[in-house]
Amino acid sequence: KQEVTQIPAALSVPEGENLVLNCSFTDSAIYNLQWFRQDPGKGLTSLLLIQSSQREQTSGRLNASLDKSSGRSTLYIAASQPGDSATYLCAVSNSGNTPLVFGKGTRLSVIA
Amino acid sequence: GAGVSQTPSNKVTEKGKYVELRCDPISGHTALYWYRQSLGQGPEFLIYFQGTGAADDSGLPNDRFFAVRPEGSVSTLKIQRTERGDSAVYLCASSEQGGFSEAFFGQGTRLTVV
Repeated sequence: KQEVTQIPAALSVPEGENLVLNCSFTDSAIYNLQWFRQDPGKGLTSLLLIQSSQREQTSGRLNASLDKSSGRSTLYIAASQPGDSATYLCAVSNSGNTPLVFGKGTRLSVIA
Repeated sequence: GAGVSQTPSNKVTEKGKYVELRCDPISGHTALYWYRQSLGQGPEFLIYFQGTGAADDSGLPNDRFFAVRPEGSVSTLKIQRTERGDSAVYLCASSEQGGFSEAFFGQGTRLTVV
């Protein structure tokens, strides 16, 4: 059974810092991995999708990397801003016919 | 539509009542997922539709929960004899090709059972 773990559970950084969020998964036979952002009381916003054949994806100040063999992904946020404060969730799919399995998320606070 | 739409956004019901939650996926998306999220937790899978059929309903907690997608687009999650433990945010997502493609989520329905 696939299990996804995110470390740390919460993180507080001053504005302008670069930061890394970690995600690990137990079954490395994934098809893809997706990072989401969730604001309080809101739904999930897709940030980046990495296919299993890819090593990384970039969108603006966000860069997600994938090391499938070791069961790890990182989300790098450059030059953090207070507007980046949210919970970041990692999820993996093991095939085209299985649902995403989520971690519990990392709650990020960027202090101005 | 432009995104996944869920209605209502909030629902308060009394213990023992029946509720229906609606999800309108992105047009053309064949895959539709229901998840449940409790405070401080990640979304927990409930059921997955591919077209009109439930491809995987292993996440439904018990037989009080049921979901349909009769025409392969809109889906309804139905909860009978609600219990206080059913209180959570119910999230719906859709994707073009199931697990092969990016999933897009709605804003969720916050269900409170009193």
